[in-house]
Amino acid sequence: DSGVTQTPKHLITATGQRVTLRCSPRSGDLSVYWYQQSLDQGLQFLIQYYNGEERAKGNILERFSAQQFPDLHSELNLSSLELGDSALYFCASSEGVTRYEQYFGPGTRLTVT
Amino acid sequence: EDQVTQSPEALRLQEGESSSLNCSYTVSGLRGLFWYRQDPGKGPEFLFTLYSAGEEKEKERLKATLTKKESFLHITAPKPEDSATYLCAVQAIAVSGTYKYIFGTGTRLKVLA
Repeated sequence: DSGVTQTPKHLITATGQRVTLRCSPRSGDLSVYWYQQSLDQGLQFLIQYYNGEERAKGNILERFSAQQFPDLHSELNLSSLELGDSALYFCASSEGVTRYEQYFGPGTRLTVT
Repeated sequence: EDQVTQSPEALRLQEGESSSLNCSYTVSGLRGLFWYRQDPGKGPEFLFTLYSAGEEKEKERLKATLTKKESFLHITAPKPEDSATYLCAVQAIAVSGTYKYIFGTGTRLKVLA
């Protein structure tokens, strides 16, 4: 158990809908990262937050947005969903000051029908 | 263009047959290289961080090394429970001055009893 929690574990929704994925980092970690992993694809970095502020941005679509709250939990919002958005979405956290190894949550499996 | 390439894509070993996995990278401003293990449908599990050429880290049957162009994950006398996908990732400095994170597509390792 990495100490990173993600909810929900599974999500099934229709095209055009909007969903919110939630992540709680390990105790003491200030950085939160979001990744997308499609079937047989590598991990694609989406976005990073550090202590509430956006720190780095990867290949995140404009339909996707994220935020990190004062209690350090984070949410990833996916809107106008398309079939191609079906994937595993992972959240990871790191201490983010002197240590950058990331600890991953169990993921949320999103299926868009 | 920044790139992380892992080879081989897949590897089958007999129990006890040692081998090495390769991760070659082309990035500017490397800050760290990370190795992860991922089991099917689960989040990656952190293994090692390497920061500078010549550095080595060991854990049980695994040993990671780093040069200026590549990293190796050596697996000594593997067991069936070592079967997993091994991911390499780099943390580098983006043009904006923030960090970026690039994952390789992994090596799928299968150890046969």
